[in-house]
Amino acid sequence: AQKITQTQPGMFVQEKEAVTLDCTYDTSDPSYGLFWYKQPSSGEMIFLIYQGSYDQQNATEGRYSLNFQKARKSANLVISASQLGDSAMYFCAMREGGRGSTLGRLYFGRGTQLTVWP
Amino acid sequence: SQTIHQWPATLVQPVGSPLSLECTVEGTSNPNLYWYRQAAGRGLQLLFYSVGIGQISSEVPQNLSASRPQDRQFILSSKKLLLSDSGFYLCAWRGGRGSSYNEQFFGPGTRLTVL
Repeated sequence: AQKITQTQPGMFVQEKEAVTLDCTYDTSDPSYGLFWYKQPSSGEMIFLIYQGSYDQQNATEGRYSLNFQKARKSANLVISASQLGDSAMYFCAMREGGRGSTLGRLYFGRGTQLTVWP
Repeated sequence: SQTIHQWPATLVQPVGSPLSLECTVEGTSNPNLYWYRQAAGRGLQLLFYSVGIGQISSEVPQNLSASRPQDRQFILSSKKLLLSDSGFYLCAWRGGRGSSYNEQFFGPGTRLTVL
């Protein structure tokens, strides 16, 4: 079974509007971490935001927030006030095991291509 | 501050030729190191990871291999490239045991085209 599922191959949003990128995950490990990365056309992977499975509050980093719904196993990324520079591929990822997990390997979804139009 | 380097940035190789991609990390010690491959329009597939010098674990059996000759150096190799080896190769690091880091930090990547 897929560990990370991103069901939206592409999303479009107008500049200054908010957009939600969906991500669901599958794990039986009680301790895990969820990540979102941005990949612009240059190819680099840019870390955006992290949510731990035991974190009580939803993570926020500037215009990015993670809507963490543990019972639904979803970790949607919300981008507020979209900018043209937000156009990129966005990947959701999961690490099983806690922060001290030796391996720290990430499982990635297939990504969502976000296009912001003026 | 920590930085991660990969080279070359792009590479075009004929089928059957050897491959060597290099990744180095600066500004940290004892990192966990990872090699990922991204096929066109796809997510990242973990190929190898290493928790220390000489310690390599393979996720996907294939004609690629990895080595870690030094603490902050990670090399991806192949003796004979296949067409299916084309893709975007990303190296990443994360703090090792006891580290406060959660996320993995990625290098700029190498775009490999096998013809």
